[in-house]
Amino acid sequence: GNSVTQMEGPVTLSEEAFLTINCTYTATGYPSLFWYVQYPGEGLQLLLKATKADDKGSNKGFEATYRKETTSFHLEKGSVQVSDSAVYFCALSGWGTNAGKSTFGDGTTLTVKP
Amino acid sequence: GAGVSQTPSNKVTEKGKYVELRCDPISGHTALYWYRQSLGQGPEFLIYFQGTGAADDSGLPNDRFFAVRPEGSVSTLKIQRTERGDSAVYLCASSSSTGELFFGEGSRLTVL
Repeated sequence: GNSVTQMEGPVTLSEEAFLTINCTYTATGYPSLFWYVQYPGEGLQLLLKATKADDKGSNKGFEATYRKETTSFHLEKGSVQVSDSAVYFCALSGWGTNAGKSTFGDGTTLTVKP
Repeated sequence: GAGVSQTPSNKVTEKGKYVELRCDPISGHTALYWYRQSLGQGPEFLIYFQGTGAADDSGLPNDRFFAVRPEGSVSTLKIQRTERGDSAVYLCASSSSTGELFFGEGSRLTVL
């Protein structure tokens, strides 16, 4: 079955530091890949997505590239802010008969200190 | 409302009791999903509706769990004979097509 493996946290960075959160996956077919973010006290919300190989998703200064050859979708940001402190989840959508079933990683908690 | 609404936000019950959790999706979204999230883990798929019918219920852990969506909008997740291991945050999401999910804030269930 499908699976997502994320870099374990927690991750603590100083403001303006470079961020990478690793995500690798196993999947059948041609899933779409997502990063969701959960800010303190809020529900999960979509951060960015990529629907096919070599696509780059980007939003709020975050980027991730769908790498089929390495089955990866690493999240990066060049300069983090305190407001980026949250839990980040990598996910993939199902495909074909499993199209409605998304699979999530266990989340990586990011804390950014001023 | 503009987003996915879930009620109650918190539910504390005793072992063996029956619980219902409600989800009101974004208007017009035909797909509705239930996930369960335990502490320190990512959301775990339970069931997916397309319209009124359950398109995939393979994630329901056992026959104590059941979900309905009778009119293709609001959905109710029903848990019978609750056990302590059922304690988790139950998340509902909706989408206009399979892919990007719009989540509610969840219903936190605690079984004593």
